[in-house]
Amino acid sequence: AQKITQTQPGMFVQEKEAVTLDCTYDTSDPSYGLFWYKQPSSGEMIFLIYQGSYDQQNATEGRYSLNFQKARKSANLVISASQLGDSAMYFCAMSLDTGRRALTFGSGTRLQVQP
Amino acid sequence: NAGVTQTPKFRILKIGQSMTLQCAQDMNHNYMYWYRQDPGMGLKLIYYSVGAGITDKGEVPNGYNVSRSTTEDFPLRLELAAPSQTSVYFCASTLGRDSRAQYFGPGTRLLVL
Repeated sequence: AQKITQTQPGMFVQEKEAVTLDCTYDTSDPSYGLFWYKQPSSGEMIFLIYQGSYDQQNATEGRYSLNFQKARKSANLVISASQLGDSAMYFCAMSLDTGRRALTFGSGTRLQVQP
Repeated sequence: NAGVTQTPKFRILKIGQSMTLQCAQDMNHNYMYWYRQDPGMGLKLIYYSVGAGITDKGEVPNGYNVSRSTTEDFPLRLELAAPSQTSVYFCASTLGRDSRAQYFGPGTRLLVL
């Protein structure tokens, strides 16, 4: 079974600074994907970034980058130049590339960006 | 292309009542999922389907049932609602070939009193 661990229940960051949200995962399957989602107070799940287990380079999407360390089984999200609109819950998730392909989620990190 | 749609957006149920949460997708996705999100928590898988006529339990299936008679629709049935089923319910889908593309509906907020 897969497991996602997010050890930071809450984080504060100053506007325009960078912040790293931690995520570790556990699976014995060699083929999987790692995801980060943002959930603002309005409740919808917004996809941010994806990293495949065989991808050689770390994924980047605009101000978001995923620091993928396969040997450590970590997939940290880095947000550069934080904005007030980044204040939200952030969830790390993973799915296997076979079988049911459902997402397994961590418990989330609440990020608050301060002016 | 509406993506994944869910109805209703919000519902209050009394203990013991039943209801069906509707989910539909127009992307011809094979894989569909129901998740629940309790306050301050991550999402947990209730049921999933890998194609029309095929469904299976996830991690938290007790108190729920599903059916998948068409590719587009994946309703979730709550029988005998209990306060423990107060949650936000998300439907999601993916094509399967490319599981990086996981699409979520807007969610249904359910309150059982």
